Amino acid sequence: QKEVEQNSGPLSVPEGAIASLNCTYSDRGSQSFFWYRQYSGKSPELIMFIYSNGDKEDGRFTAQLNKASQYVSLLIRDSQPSDSATYLCAVQGGDSNYQLIWGAGTKLIIKP
Amino acid sequence: GAGVSQSPSNKVTEKGKDVELRCDPISGHTALYWYRQSLGQGLEFLIYFQGNSAPDKSGLPSDRFSAERTGGSVSTLTIQRTQQEDSAVYLCASSLALGASNQPQHFGDGTRLSIL
Repeated sequence: QKEVEQNSGPLSVPEGAIASLNCTYSDRGSQSFFWYRQYSGKSPELIMFIYSNGDKEDGRFTAQLNKASQYVSLLIRDSQPSDSATYLCAVQGGDSNYQLIWGAGTKLIIKP
Repeated sequence: GAGVSQSPSNKVTEKGKDVELRCDPISGHTALYWYRQSLGQGLEFLIYFQGNSAPDKSGLPSDRFSAERTGGSVSTLTIQRTQQEDSAVYLCASSLALGASNQPQHFGDGTRLSIL
């Protein structure tokens, strides 16, 4: 069974610091990796995706992918209280290329 | 519209009643997905459509659940003889194409279903 694992948290980070969110996956054939943010009572919204090994930066967000170790991470620089949310990791490709396999999410709290 | 549209946004009904949830995907998106999310839990995949076809229905929790999509656009998720454990937020997402790498799913605001 294909699995995506995330630490449920909560992860507490002081405002202005770097928040680091991690995700591991079991399907070595996975090809695309997505990070979504979900505020309480809202639906998930896409932050960014990555498909090549290495780093991909978008504003304050950096996604990091290491296919050999089967993990993907999301760094949030200069964390703001508005970044407080649950962050969902989703993996696509491999045997289940028609759907995303979702992690359960990490709850992030940015303390002012 | 610009995004995925779901209706109703909230539905409260009595146990044993049937409910129908609607999803209107982003224009041009051929792939459509239904998820369920219980309070404080992750996303539970229910079913996906490529066009009007739903090749894999194994994610549906029971035979009380069914879904259809007509005209390659709007989809309805029907729950018959609702039970209290069906209470959850039902999320619909769409993507440009099925199985294509780097095609993210875009979500609607969901339908919050409460079974009394």
